[in-house]
Amino acid sequence: GDSVTQMEGPVTLSEEAFLTINCTYTATGYPSLFWYVQYPGEGLQLLLKATKADDKGSNKGFEATYRKETTSFHLEKGSVQVSDSAVYFCALSDRGGGFKTIFGAGTRLFVKA
Amino acid sequence: NAGVTQTPKFQVLKTGQSMTLQCAQDMNHEYMSWYRQDPGMGLRLIHYSVGAGITDQGEVPNGYNVSRSTTEDFPLRLLSAAPSQTSVYFCASSGPGGGNTEAFFGQGTRLTVV
Repeated sequence: GDSVTQMEGPVTLSEEAFLTINCTYTATGYPSLFWYVQYPGEGLQLLLKATKADDKGSNKGFEATYRKETTSFHLEKGSVQVSDSAVYFCALSDRGGGFKTIFGAGTRLFVKA
Repeated sequence: NAGVTQTPKFQVLKTGQSMTLQCAQDMNHEYMSWYRQDPGMGLRLIHYSVGAGITDQGEVPNGYNVSRSTTEDFPLRLLSAAPSQTSVYFCASSGPGGGNTEAFFGQGTRLTVV
């Protein structure tokens, strides 16, 4: 079945450091890919998405490129801020899976001032 | 603009008790789903619905029931609570295209079964 694997955390960075969170997926069809963010005590909210190969999703300085050849959707940000501290989830939705959204385990990011 | 509303926010149950977690959305979304979030395991799909009157099982359905009598509401019932059901529960909804579009999440219900 469909699955998402993302790097384990926690990830601890200093402010203004470069961020990469790796995400790879397995899917039977041509999924849409998402990154969601969860701030403490809150539900998940969409950060960015890409619906087809080579698409780049971007939002709030974060970006991720849909790489079909490597089945990856790595999240990057050039300069993190303390306010970026949160848990980040990579996810996919696949027509072949009935459009259910499958999530990775989540990666907790701590950014130090 | 309420979005997805879950109640209650916190709940403590004794083993064997039953309860219903409420979920309502005001965006006229057809697709709704329930997840549980456990440390190190991400979000796991319990049940989902693609429209009123239609429900299906997700990855971890045992011990839970759902129904979808209206577009707006999608309650999750715990039939006989067990400590293994201690978790944070999230309800989500999506518009046209189902899970292929953005999912909107509620604030979550933190459930403890003792």
